[in-house]
Amino acid sequence: DAGVIQSPRHEVTEMGQEVTLRCKPISGHDYLFWYRQTMMRGLELLIYFNNNVPIDDSGMPEDRFSAKMPNASFSTLKIQPSEPRDSAVYFCASSEGTYNSPLHFGNGTRLTVT
Amino acid sequence: GDSVTQMEGPVTLSEEAFLTINCTYTATGYPSLFWYVQYPGEGLQLLLKATKADDKGSNKGFEATYRKETTSFHLEKGSVQVSDSAVYFCALSGVGANSKLTFGKGITLSVRP
Repeated sequence: DAGVIQSPRHEVTEMGQEVTLRCKPISGHDYLFWYRQTMMRGLELLIYFNNNVPIDDSGMPEDRFSAKMPNASFSTLKIQPSEPRDSAVYFCASSEGTYNSPLHFGNGTRLTVT
Repeated sequence: GDSVTQMEGPVTLSEEAFLTINCTYTATGYPSLFWYVQYPGEGLQLLLKATKADDKGSNKGFEATYRKETTSFHLEKGSVQVSDSAVYFCALSGVGANSKLTFGKGITLSVRP
């Protein structure tokens, strides 16, 4: 099992550019989560999916952020346009369920917006 | 709503010292409780969990007991190693379908040789 795979590991972009982060969850996991981690705010849940359907996107900071899960093995988080305050580490995680089921995290994408 | 409170950090210890990291929670019903660990440059990974009152989770020498009377899930290790240096997160999962994992702020542990 390769675990949760995220790409790219690092992304540096200029303000105003579009950024797309990618995630491949563990096969067979029904839930997929996107988190953002910063020193100031810690770990924040942005959105999660169950069987490819978005369940709760209340953590998405604003309309500039969007997430999709076109199939069970792929998800994207898009920021358009990006701003310096979006600089953070973005994690994707998957699990078999929510209650009692542990999350399996990817190694994250470190985004820097200049 | 559900919440998790962790002690303020960072924590610096010498190798072989005893470790306690405090965690308390607020939740309705009987949540499941977790400790996650994040090593530098990596994502979080599950360290241990407990799903009901008085359960003790354990892994890699770490232990935590689910105390419903004090709503706590403190993490302990009898003798820390340099390799334990990481960020530790306490978390809870509420009851019911589509319940979310709520994380504490995390605490950084540094262990000196």
